[in-house]
Amino acid sequence: QSALTQPASVSGSPGQSITISCTGTSSDVGSYNLVSWYQHHPGKAPKLMIYEGSKRPSGVSNRFSGSKSGNTASLTISGLQAEDEADYYCCSYAGSSTYVFGTGTKVTVL
Amino acid sequence: EVQEVESGGGLVQPGGSLRLSCAVSGFTVSNNYMSWVRQAPGKGLEWVSVIYSGGGTNYADSVKGRFTISRDDSKNTVYLQMNSLRAEDTAVYYCARGTSSSWADWGQGTLVTVSS
Repeated sequence: QSALTQPASVSGSPGQSITISCTGTSSDVGSYNLVSWYQHHPGKAPKLMIYEGSKRPSGVSNRFSGSKSGNTASLTISGLQAEDEADYYCCSYAGSSTYVFGTGTKVTVL
Repeated sequence: EVQEVESGGGLVQPGGSLRLSCAVSGFTVSNNYMSWVRQAPGKGLEWVSVIYSGGGTNYADSVKGRFTISRDDSKNTVYLQMNSLRAEDTAVYYCARGTSSSWADWGQGTLVTVSS
């Protein structure tokens, strides 16, 4: 149950697009189309942004999109806004009723 | 409105026990699967445990044998019994409702501090 690997930080200017990677293994990300992404502002409850790799829950901006290739999933934020500054975590089903989160990425809007 | 409210956190000595509660409104816990997820100070999110609608449970290796997840359908509440607590269990503990192997609704969390 090793954590999925994410870059520690990603930054961009308002209006730009950024992409956060989430690298796992053939036992988790690579085996299931069950990667989800969460936005977490410190002191608040995490918020689901993407589920099943690329689906957006109702109410989540279409500026957020998800994809996967092999053992790596990605979250892209387009049209970056100040309110997007937060920590982002990926999570994957890892088989046998277990789940694994990523190491987390701090997004900074310059 | 969907809401989860965690309680039961606090300061406990190493080796001690604590029981966390997650009181749910807006949906029925017995018809959903629920998880506990924690975040240690300065660290990332870590999945801890899950309980499925059918009652099946599972745990992260780091807590297996020490933590027990359960629910009381009559109270629409999920619990996490934590025994043999260690310093590394210090964290904010969140409960979350599962859907499509993701966690759709989260509580605000309750802080557990394990220290002498």
